[in-house]
Amino acid sequence: LAKTTQPISMDSYEGQEVNITCSHNNIATNDYITWYQQFPSQGPRFIIQGYKTKVTNEVASLFIPADRKSSTLSLPRVSLSDTAVYYCLVGDMNRDDKIIFGKGTRLHILP
Amino acid sequence: EPEVTQTPSHQVTQMGQEVILRCVPISNHLYFYWYRQILGQKVEFLVSFYNNEISEKSEIFDDQFSVERPDGSNFTLKIRSTKLEDSAMYFCASSGDLYSYNEQFFGPGTRLTVL
Repeated sequence: LAKTTQPISMDSYEGQEVNITCSHNNIATNDYITWYQQFPSQGPRFIIQGYKTKVTNEVASLFIPADRKSSTLSLPRVSLSDTAVYYCLVGDMNRDDKIIFGKGTRLHILP
Repeated sequence: EPEVTQTPSHQVTQMGQEVILRCVPISNHLYFYWYRQILGQKVEFLVSFYNNEISEKSEIFDDQFSVERPDGSNFTLKIRSTKLEDSAMYFCASSGDLYSYNEQFFGPGTRLTVL
């Protein structure tokens, strides 16, 4: 599993776009980049997954540059309810496997 | 939308007692997992289960832990003789088949408190 590095915490304000960057210099050819979200006292929840370029869904966008050594999770127009821990995961997603969570990025949205 | 459910939401037990945590995974999923999260710490993998047997387990998952899928719907985690350090949130998760994204669906968790 590729090691990932992401900020420990971030603050932002309601209505702002939030970008959380994750570094994964040792990403392998078969690895995908996946982001999970965890609200306080709840289980983690899958947000988005991608391999290259850009992926967008109803919750977020994921930007991956050509070298794939980093990725950016973009949350448009955040609200207070987006306050959570966000985990960047990198691994071979061609088979189901355990998830190794890091400490994630604790995002705090202010009014 | 289908979801993973867990019972009980909160379990309080005395040290040395046995506890069973219950989970109902999403019905057509094939892979099942238990994770735990000690207060303020990372989510840690305990065990994965596929085809009625353990496929992988972590160092945390010692002889005091066991898992079982007693019927077609439930997936249980048993701790035989609880210790104070077993106090944590325990999350069950399930995921689909080999041809889908490796998205794991997590339950709401059981908060285990060992006194």
